[in-house]
Amino acid sequence: DAGVIQSPRHEVTEMGQEVTLRCKPISGHNSLFWYRQTMMRGLELLIYFNNNVPIDDSGMPEDRFSAKMPNASFSTLKIQPSEPRDSAVYFCASSSIGGITDTQYFGPGTRLTVL
Amino acid sequence: KQEVTQIPAALSVPEGENLVLNCSFTDSAIYNLQWFRQDPGKGLTSLLLIQSSQREQTSGRLNASLDKSSGRSTLYIAASQPGDSATYLCAVGGNTPLVFGKGTRLSVIA
Repeated sequence: DAGVIQSPRHEVTEMGQEVTLRCKPISGHNSLFWYRQTMMRGLELLIYFNNNVPIDDSGMPEDRFSAKMPNASFSTLKIQPSEPRDSAVYFCASSSIGGITDTQYFGPGTRLTVL
Repeated sequence: KQEVTQIPAALSVPEGENLVLNCSFTDSAIYNLQWFRQDPGKGLTSLLLIQSSQREQTSGRLNASLDKSSGRSTLYIAASQPGDSATYLCAVGGNTPLVFGKGTRLSVIA
């Protein structure tokens, strides 16, 4: 299995631009998580899906952030408009049964820099 | 609100030494506790998962313990090697998804 796949691996954009991050979970996994990691705040959960349905988006910082999971094999995290404080590494993770109680498998992350 | 703390933030040891990483959490109503490893520029790799009913888990040179009542977990690494150098994160699972500590950055010096 290729593991969790994220694209792009690096993204540099200018303030105000739209940014779309993509994630392909491990085949057969039914829970998907989006995290953000910064030096100051560590790793924070933004949103998670179970069977393609958003369960908890309380970690999404603002309305500028949105996430979708149109099918079991694809999810996007969109930031519009982007701001310099959004600069971070964004991770996607997936798990199989139960989501909350099972081991999560992380992708390599997308390093976002907003100038 | 669950809070997870890891001490120390950074640790440097000579090769071959046994070491302990600490993790504490504020809410003992947890389902499980996981230890992850993160290499620079990479994602997280799960090392050990301890369910709330368990006291410890072992994998090779790694042993993780869990004391729910005191809100503590330790990760013991035996006979450390330079390849163990990485950041180790502790994460607690409750009725919401994982809450992570900020990690301990370990350097094992050859």
